[in-house]
Amino acid sequence: DVQMTQSPSSVSASVGDRVTITCRASQDIQKYLAWYQQKEGRAPELLIYGASHLRSGVPSRFSGSGSGTYYTLTINGLQPEDFGTYLCQQGDSFPDTFGQGTRVEI
Amino acid sequence: QVQLRESGPGLVRPSETLSLTCSVSGDSISNRYWSWIRQSPGKGLEYIGYISYTDSSRYNPSLRSRVTISLDRFSNQFSLELMFVTAADTAVYFCVKGGGGYAFDYWGQGALVTVSS
Repeated sequence: DVQMTQSPSSVSASVGDRVTITCRASQDIQKYLAWYQQKEGRAPELLIYGASHLRSGVPSRFSGSGSGTYYTLTINGLQPEDFGTYLCQQGDSFPDTFGQGTRVEI
Repeated sequence: QVQLRESGPGLVRPSETLSLTCSVSGDSISNRYWSWIRQSPGKGLEYIGYISYTDSSRYNPSLRSRVTISLDRFSNQFSLELMFVTAADTAVYFCVKGGGGYAFDYWGQGALVTVSS
């Protein structure tokens, strides 16, 4: 299985800050990379797919980039509602696999 | 608006079969791919497998010998069966639209299934 490694495991930031989360795959995943936000007791919600495509309705302060094995999620201008856990997921090689998550605390 | 909802027993005895159904509204299961994903504190998010609109299915090799995912087009539902469960199968189970290279764009709220005697 493709291993997805996220860093950092947690981050504490203030409202208005820029936050960057990285996700590294154990092999080239050809931009089949998605980012999700999960809040406690809730299902994950898709933010970005195809490494950099913002899902309709997701605020533009979220952006994704990367290729090959290295990907990033950036939140520009952190808002109070952005607290939660962020997860990356690869869909290039079956079975799809997820990172272990990055907890964002405001 | 696409909505998914899991239903099924919240408690299953060891060695028995876990069965969950996902009811889909706002979309037809004859479109695209439909998946099951589970989440437990110890293992994070684990992909179980998918079934496609053509009725083809694919399962995580770690679970393949115990898993079946099926479609019910008449009821617009899809289902999960996991046989011979153990405590390690205790998790929140999510039904999801996506898989087969597509991102997971719609999720059910999740169903906690506990394996215990």
